[in-house]
Amino acid sequence: DAGVIQSPRHEVTEMGQEVTLRCKPISGHDYLFWYRQTMMRGLELLIYFNNNVPIDDSGMPEDRFSAKMPNASFSTLKIQPSEPRDSAVYFCASTRGRDSGYTFGSGTRLTVV
Amino acid sequence: EDQVTQSPEALRLQEGESSSLNCSYTVSGLRGLFWYRQDPGKGPEFLFTLYSAGEEKEKERLKATLTKKESFLHITAPKPEDSATYLCAVQPQGGLGFKTIFGAGTRLFVKA
Repeated sequence: DAGVIQSPRHEVTEMGQEVTLRCKPISGHDYLFWYRQTMMRGLELLIYFNNNVPIDDSGMPEDRFSAKMPNASFSTLKIQPSEPRDSAVYFCASTRGRDSGYTFGSGTRLTVV
Repeated sequence: EDQVTQSPEALRLQEGESSSLNCSYTVSGLRGLFWYRQDPGKGPEFLFTLYSAGEEKEKERLKATLTKKESFLHITAPKPEDSATYLCAVQPQGGLGFKTIFGAGTRLFVKA
């Protein structure tokens, strides 16, 4: 298995633009998570899905952030409009069952200028 | 409020110099405690899950232990390739059940 695949690896965008981050989880994993990592706040859970259904989005910072999982093999995290304070590394992770460790992707480093 | 605190923030060791990393947690019931390793520019890599006080897990030079208030990651005779950030995470019981909270991590540097 190729692991959790995220794209793009790096994204530089101007303030106000729409940004879409993409994730392909490991086949057979029924949970998918979006995390954000910064030096100041560490790893923060934004949202997670179980069987493609959003379960908890309380970590989404504001309405500018949205996430979808149209099928078991694809998820997106969208920021519209983007702001400089959104600059961070965004990780997608997946797992099978509630008691397993997560498999993380390599992340998308987002820079909003 | 559920909280995870890791210490020290950074640790510098000589190759072969054993030591321990600490993870103290405050949660209203612990479902599980996880250890991850993160290399620069990569996502965290899962190492261990611990569920109950007294439990221990081992992998190569690493051993994780758990008490009711903290966990330790013991590194025996470390090598330079063990240099990384080690993250502790806890999963509280109850609620929506899957809100894993990560600590800030301990950056480990092992010098040859």
